[in-house]
Amino acid sequence: GIQVEQSPPDLILQEGANSTLRCNFSDSVNNLQWFHQNPWGQLINLFYIPSGTKQNGRLSATTVATERYSLLYISSSQTTDSGVYFCAGAETSGSRLTFGEGTQLTVNP
Amino acid sequence: DARVTQTPRHKVTEMGQEVTMRCQPILGHNTVFWYRQTMMQGLELLAYFRNRAPLDDSGMPKDRFSAEMPDATLATLKIQPSEPRDSAVYFCASGQTRDGHLGSIDTQYFGPGTRLTVL
Repeated sequence: GIQVEQSPPDLILQEGANSTLRCNFSDSVNNLQWFHQNPWGQLINLFYIPSGTKQNGRLSATTVATERYSLLYISSSQTTDSGVYFCAGAETSGSRLTFGEGTQLTVNP
Repeated sequence: DARVTQTPRHKVTEMGQEVTMRCQPILGHNTVFWYRQTMMQGLELLAYFRNRAPLDDSGMPKDRFSAEMPDATLATLKIQPSEPRDSAVYFCASGQTRDGHLGSIDTQYFGPGTRLTVL
């Protein structure tokens, strides 16, 4: 199966700062998604982004499929952005969705 | 405010007992997912259904786990017999896919999860 590597594993920011989270895949994927899990455990699907760029408010994501990576940008971070950010992808040859280990983000007031 | 609901929210049981977790997807969604999250394995996709038919359950231990959708408003995940290593948070999610491929889903909406502890 594919390997999914996320970086950095931990990130601490002051409110208002910008950040970039990265997700690398060991092989081509045909379904790339970003998720946020808040400190209370609730999961939210942020983006489905197999290629290109998408934006949703202060969050945006870019996937460069040919180079097998995706980036999640958080601008003007807020304390509510704290939590764990996961990326996941499915192999082009199958439907198995593999998750990264996540980036733990802490935004301090 | 449409949302995915899951019951029970917490379950403590003894090894060997049957466990049934239930999920009510958002009305109108045609695809339902079951995930498991543990400290050791992280997040895993166990199975998913489209229009109530199982499309992929390759992530699920076949000998003890089973997933069904008796109707469009109910998805169930059963473990029989349960083992301590099944202790985890189980999430259900629903969404709309254009076809049966994971690549066609736009957004999935998660339930609050069922925290299962098997003693």
